[in-house]
Amino acid sequence: DAKTTQPPSMDCAEGRAANLPCNHSTISGNEYVYWYRQIHSQGPQYIIHGLKNNETNEMASLIITEDRKSSTLILPHATLRDTAVYYCIAPQGGSEKLVFGKGTKLTVNP
Amino acid sequence: SAVISQKPSRDICQRGTSLTIQCQVDSQVTMMFWYRQQPGQSLTLIATANQGSEATYESGFVIDKFPISRPNLTFSTLTVSNMSPEDSSIYLCSVRDPMNTEAFFGQGTRLTVV
Repeated sequence: DAKTTQPPSMDCAEGRAANLPCNHSTISGNEYVYWYRQIHSQGPQYIIHGLKNNETNEMASLIITEDRKSSTLILPHATLRDTAVYYCIAPQGGSEKLVFGKGTKLTVNP
Repeated sequence: SAVISQKPSRDICQRGTSLTIQCQVDSQVTMMFWYRQQPGQSLTLIATANQGSEATYESGFVIDKFPISRPNLTFSTLTVSNMSPEDSSIYLCSVRDPMNTEAFFGQGTRLTVV
């Protein structure tokens, strides 16, 4: 997988936007960026993915820089239930395998 | 979407024994994967379970230690053999279909080896 780099931890106040960065400077042109999260004691959950364009769904927005070397996952109004470890993944060559890095532990505070 | 059932959800086992974990999916899926998550760590891919053929193992994992079966498109098993306390982890099954971009995960099997 294209190597991704994420900060180990972040804090966010409840109701505010959470902006989680990810660097993927070695990403190739056909490699998507996927975001998953893992809430404590649960299996990972898909959030969103993108290739070049910014994407939005009911859970989050994904902003990808024009050179595709980094991206930001945005949770527009974080809640306590968004406290989780967030993983940014860029499968190499479009591989079906997902290789997880260490992720960012997001803590949403009341 | 796909709903995945893993059994058992947790177990405590004696060292030297083996445990077989089952993964049942509510629909036919092309790709099935097994992961390990050691305490406080991220997920590590063990292998891809291939239907009708031998599993494809990642570096550091071998068939003798983690034999995998995939008899059809909805079911797979992972066996953790000759267990030691270092095998204490959560083992997760994941599925993905080339027609869908997202992967789905089971809730995991929490294994403690004593």
